[in-house]
Amino acid sequence: EAGVAQSPRYKIIEKRQSVAFWCNPISGHATLYWYQQILGQGPKLLIQFQNNGVVDDSQLPKDRFSAERLKGVDSTLKIQPAKLEDSAVYLCASSLLRTGDTEAFFGQGTRLTVV
Amino acid sequence: AQSVAQPEDQVNVAEGNPLTVKCTYSVSGNPYLFWYVQYPNRGLQFLLKYITGDNLVKGSYGFEAEFNKSQTSFHLKKPSALVSDSALYFCAVRGDTGRRALTFGSGTRLQVQP
Repeated sequence: EAGVAQSPRYKIIEKRQSVAFWCNPISGHATLYWYQQILGQGPKLLIQFQNNGVVDDSQLPKDRFSAERLKGVDSTLKIQPAKLEDSAVYLCASSLLRTGDTEAFFGQGTRLTVV
Repeated sequence: AQSVAQPEDQVNVAEGNPLTVKCTYSVSGNPYLFWYVQYPNRGLQFLLKYITGDNLVKGSYGFEAEFNKSQTSFHLKKPSALVSDSALYFCAVRGDTGRRALTFGSGTRLQVQP
């Protein structure tokens, strides 16, 4: 079974520039998550999709971050404009069901450095 | 609100010795508890989960975890550590009501010495 695919693996941008990350979840997984992992910290949820609808975006900085999941499969996360504190690893995860007992499977992440 | 505490930033253990990585949680309703492991430049890999039933759950690579409801803990254990177990370990929780996404702890780095 193919895992969660993310691209790019690494990205370096200057502050105030924009950047986009792409995620392809495991086939058939209805739930998709974007997490932000700052160095030395645990992952923090940014947004959760169920199919192509948003379930939870309470911790997404909506003034600069946006995400979409068209057709309920692939997803993109965008940052515009980027700040230095956005430097982190952005992890995409998917799970088969929305119920709490289902584990999430994670991609390798995109490491963003904002200079 | 749900939260996870991993009180140790790092745990050092000699190869062959038993290991324990501690985790306590706070959640509304019944907890669903998970352990993940992260190797350098890799995503998080699922190890095991507690949903209901037996308080001792077994997972991948010989790891197990013990759920203790009265102490709100879910410590990760392994009877005999391997050097290859050296990695970053995350405990995570979600409740059976309300918010359904995982909340992670800050992580514990496990260092197994030969």
